[in-house]
Amino acid sequence: SQTIHQWPATLVQPVGSPLSLECTVEGTSNPNLYWYRQAAGRGLQLLFYSVGIGQISSEVPQNLSASRPQDRQFILSSKKLLLSDSGFYLCAWRIGYNEQFFGPGTRLTVL
Amino acid sequence: GENVEQHPSTLSVQEGDSAVIKCTYSDSASNYFPWYKQELGKRPQLIIDIRSNVGEKKDQRIAVTLNKTAKHFSLHITETQPEDSAVYFCAATTLEEAGNMLTFGGGTRLMVKP
Repeated sequence: SQTIHQWPATLVQPVGSPLSLECTVEGTSNPNLYWYRQAAGRGLQLLFYSVGIGQISSEVPQNLSASRPQDRQFILSSKKLLLSDSGFYLCAWRIGYNEQFFGPGTRLTVL
Repeated sequence: GENVEQHPSTLSVQEGDSAVIKCTYSDSASNYFPWYKQELGKRPQLIIDIRSNVGEKKDQRIAVTLNKTAKHFSLHITETQPEDSAVYFCAATTLEEAGNMLTFGGGTRLMVKP
């Protein structure tokens, strides 16, 4: 069966520091992968999506970037964090015309 | 692009009562409509979905209805229980589009009072 992992689970970072969040999927191949951000008490904002290795589409202009170095690995990065980057970061995957599933998430606090 | 509106933003019901959450979508090409439940501090979990070739789908106490003509779909929860308290998100997409991106509604916070 398929599983999705995210790490770290929680992270506290100072303003201006770099960021790297990782998402990996097991038990499937060539998934669509997505990064979402959820501010406290708010909805789901799609940040990036990828349909294959090296293929990244950005939905929102910001100081974040994403990469997909391997088929089942999706990385979210930033060179300099802002206070407004705080939130719950969710990775999600989907195969073809099937359901979309979310990872456990990373809770990021920028101080 | 697709736009999904969800109402109400908060809903409080007494245990045992029914709850209904409604969503409207703008893109007539959308053909897949999932619902997610998110408990506090946890990931959204898929609870039910419906495709445009059916008008209603039921799974125990939850059901979803779809009106393609009016472009709206609804989540119905019967015999609510305190553990139904959570934020619920509706979403829509066209399955054949590259990336298959879901467009989410703004969420409904459901509170079930014991």
